[in-house]
Amino acid sequence: DAGVIQSPRHEVTEMGQEVTLRCKPISGHNSLFWYRQTMMRGLELLIYFNNNVPIDDSGMPEDRFSAKMPNASFSTLKIQPSEPRDSAVYFCASSSGLITGELFFGEGSRLTVL
Amino acid sequence: AQSVTQLDSQVPVFEEAPVELRCNYSSSVSVYLFWYVQYPNQGLQLLLKYLSGSTLVKGINGFEAEFNKSQTSFHLRKPSVHISDTAEYFCAVSQAGGSYIPTFGRGTSLIVHP
Repeated sequence: DAGVIQSPRHEVTEMGQEVTLRCKPISGHNSLFWYRQTMMRGLELLIYFNNNVPIDDSGMPEDRFSAKMPNASFSTLKIQPSEPRDSAVYFCASSSGLITGELFFGEGSRLTVL
Repeated sequence: AQSVTQLDSQVPVFEEAPVELRCNYSSSVSVYLFWYVQYPNQGLQLLLKYLSGSTLVKGINGFEAEFNKSQTSFHLRKPSVHISDTAEYFCAVSQAGGSYIPTFGRGTSLIVHP
């Protein structure tokens, strides 16, 4: 079975530009998570969806960040406008919820904002 | 709420030597415990998990971990490491029967030298 698929794998953009990261969870998984990983802060949970509904977005750093999940097979994380401090690796993960807490991660999107 | 402390940010070791990566957690309720591994430029993948039952859990690639409730620890061990075990290791905890969103530790970088 295909795992969690993220795109793009690498993105380099200039400050002020809009960035959209995409994620396709594992088919049948009903929970989706967006994480950000940096050297300074480690792995941070940004937002969590259950059955396509945002449940907890308390980790979203500010209004420049938004996430959507229009259907069970697709989610986006958007940053507008982007800033250099947004540079990080962004991971999407999905879970079936059956094995509590077990997440399946994508390979990540490495974002560099110049 | 729960928290996870990985006591070592970096563990250097020679090939074929044993290794232990330490993890302590705090929680007021019963927990599920996980170890994830992240190889360079990849997402996290599950190494092993403790949900209930035997406190000694065996995972992939020869790793095992022991749940110690009295010491609130879940240390990861391998009797003989290989160069290919060089990676970042994350301990995670989630509440049994509650919000199953896992909390991750800051990670331990295992560096295996030839």
